[in-house]
Amino acid sequence: DTAVSQTPKYLVTQMGNDKSIKCEQNLGHDTMYWYKQDSKKFLKIMFSYNNKELIINETVPNRFSPKSPDKAHLNLHINSLELGDSAVYFCASSQLTGDTDTQYFGPGTRLTVL
Amino acid sequence: AQSVAQPEDQVNVAEGNPLTVKCTYSVSGNPYLFWYVQYPNRGLQFLLKYITGDNLVKGSYGFEAEFNKSQTSFHLKKPSALVSDSALYFCAVGFTGGGNKLTFGTGTQLKVEL
Repeated sequence: DTAVSQTPKYLVTQMGNDKSIKCEQNLGHDTMYWYKQDSKKFLKIMFSYNNKELIINETVPNRFSPKSPDKAHLNLHINSLELGDSAVYFCASSQLTGDTDTQYFGPGTRLTVL
Repeated sequence: AQSVAQPEDQVNVAEGNPLTVKCTYSVSGNPYLFWYVQYPNRGLQFLLKYITGDNLVKGSYGFEAEFNKSQTSFHLKKPSALVSDSALYFCAVGFTGGGNKLTFGTGTQLKVEL
């Protein structure tokens, strides 16, 4: 059973389009995250939700909008895609929001903007 | 603000030899330190973490890490490397009151050769 899953695995699209990435976790965790990994493998947090409430919102263009319909799902919607949005996006989850809680990552979604 | 440094982009080691992947950190307050491994085209897998207590932490696949407060380091070690250990390794730091916001290092590519 996959603990943290993401769809799609690959996403190729044109500049200016709007796209969504979906994430689901079956670990019973309360907190979910979105990370962006750039071409140099640098990993940076974008957002974090706890029980559908936004708790971390890093400096990210407002073209990016996370949505959490329930605590097992966290989707990422991106408007007006730009070339610089090309990256691998990882979803993660942790049991709570404690500083010491281990985060478990999904397999990633490779977004390519042409 | 917290930061993590992984001074080596790549570490090469012969199979059977001990390996060390270096990590130093900077935080305000108590640090919480994590190691993750990323295999090609995969998500990050949790290896181990230091929260408090014994400075030597043992984790998955025979890896261990030693927390050194005076040197602000958390180096990853393994007594005998395997070819299958070849992957990208990330160190990450959180801190008290950080709300489980992890800051990741830039990653170290480990290559284990026969």
